Amino acid sequence: EPEVTQTPSHQVTQMGQEVILRCVPISNHLYFYWYRQILGQKVEFLVSFYNNEISEKSEIFDDQFSVERPDGSNFTLKIRSTKLEDSAMYFCASRSQLNTGELFFGEGSRLTVL
Amino acid sequence: GENVGLHLPTLSVQEGDNSIINCAYSNSASDYFIWYKQESGKGPQFIIDIRSNMDKRQGQRVTVLLNKTVKHLSLQIAATQPGDSAVYFCAENNNAGNMLTFGGGTRLMVKP
Repeated sequence: EPEVTQTPSHQVTQMGQEVILRCVPISNHLYFYWYRQILGQKVEFLVSFYNNEISEKSEIFDDQFSVERPDGSNFTLKIRSTKLEDSAMYFCASRSQLNTGELFFGEGSRLTVL
Repeated sequence: GENVGLHLPTLSVQEGDNSIINCAYSNSASDYFIWYKQESGKGPQFIIDIRSNMDKRQGQRVTVLLNKTVKHLSLQIAATQPGDSAVYFCAENNNAGNMLTFGGGTRLMVKP
């Protein structure tokens, strides 16, 4: 069964460092997403991406965040200068169509900022 | 602002009983809803979805009910099993379909 894969599963970084989280969406999917989940809280939308550009982003997704699809298979989330409050699980998701397409999630990347 | 929320943070049921998890939404323009299950340390896993032109949809042991009049969504799990223990989130699709908004989650605990 196709799945969304994410790396690394866990990353520990120092405050102020840059972090890149990687995702390989399901191959025939066209819509890509990043969500985050602070421990014990709900899943929060960060950004959606389609046709090589951001289609929607939340208030959380400020200038410190960026996304890229560099090679047609990977979908990355970069945090330029991490803060303590960036510590969370980051989930990548993809789907084949809008509105009624199931959103498939990866297993997540846990980011710990010290 | 628009939001999706849950009535109960924790639901404890006996194995074999039926479970009902509730969700309220406030965006009347949302036209697609999904229930996700999240086990500890894992990503959300799709359970069942429903479009706004329906009021009920059934899957294997699960049923989703949608009441658009009161903007209420529920997930019914029949014959709850220990493997059903997880956090359950409802989510709504916004008008443009670009974003899925999650509710706060309900933890289901199944007692053997």
